[in-house]
Amino acid sequence: DVKVTQSSRYLVKRTGEKVFLECVQDMDHENMFWYRQDPGLGLRLIYFSYDVKMKEKGDIPEGYSVSREKKERFSLILESASTNQTSMYLCASSAGLAGGYKQYFGPGTRLTVT
Amino acid sequence: AQSVTQLGSHVSVSEGALVLLRCNYSSSVPPYLFWYVQYPNQGLQLLLKYTSAATLVKGINGFEAEFKKSETSFHLTKPSAHMSDAAEYFCAVTHQGSTLGRLYFGRGTQLTVWP
Repeated sequence: DVKVTQSSRYLVKRTGEKVFLECVQDMDHENMFWYRQDPGLGLRLIYFSYDVKMKEKGDIPEGYSVSREKKERFSLILESASTNQTSMYLCASSAGLAGGYKQYFGPGTRLTVT
Repeated sequence: AQSVTQLGSHVSVSEGALVLLRCNYSSSVPPYLFWYVQYPNQGLQLLLKYTSAATLVKGINGFEAEFKKSETSFHLTKPSAHMSDAAEYFCAVTHQGSTLGRLYFGRGTQLTVWP
């Protein structure tokens, strides 16, 4: 079974802090994704990566950056956390066409910025 | 451009009743369509997917969905709701030939099941 793990289930940070959210997958997938989930808005794509050191902006990249130094790990960085970044963050990985485009999700990190 | 519209952000049914969750998609090329389920405090789990084979797709937990090209729909159904079906459901679309495999998600439908 594919496993996607996220470093924390719950995180509380202060405004202005730099925040790192880590995601690791164990299936050698090329593609990895970061979403944020807010009530009534569904999943919104922040960034995705299709190879080591390669990244693409999603729909809401402002205030975020990402890092992919190893194939299995994709990090989301909040450079200076703000209260409007309080949300659930979901990571996913995919083998793309080879896997029928199925995305596998981690359990999520619920981030609160105070 | 691709997009998904889920009609009804909340659906309530009685246990044993039919579940119908609606999804309409927009895609200029043949789509791949997905339904995911999210139980409280968990990530998303794939229920079923359509990839241009049979138009009626069966998934886990007794759910199925029918692809109707003429209606650009991919509605999710289950004949008899169970309490354990209470969750949030997301419809998603991508297209054949997508090199990066990005999925476009709907806003979700929260299903409540009454005893």
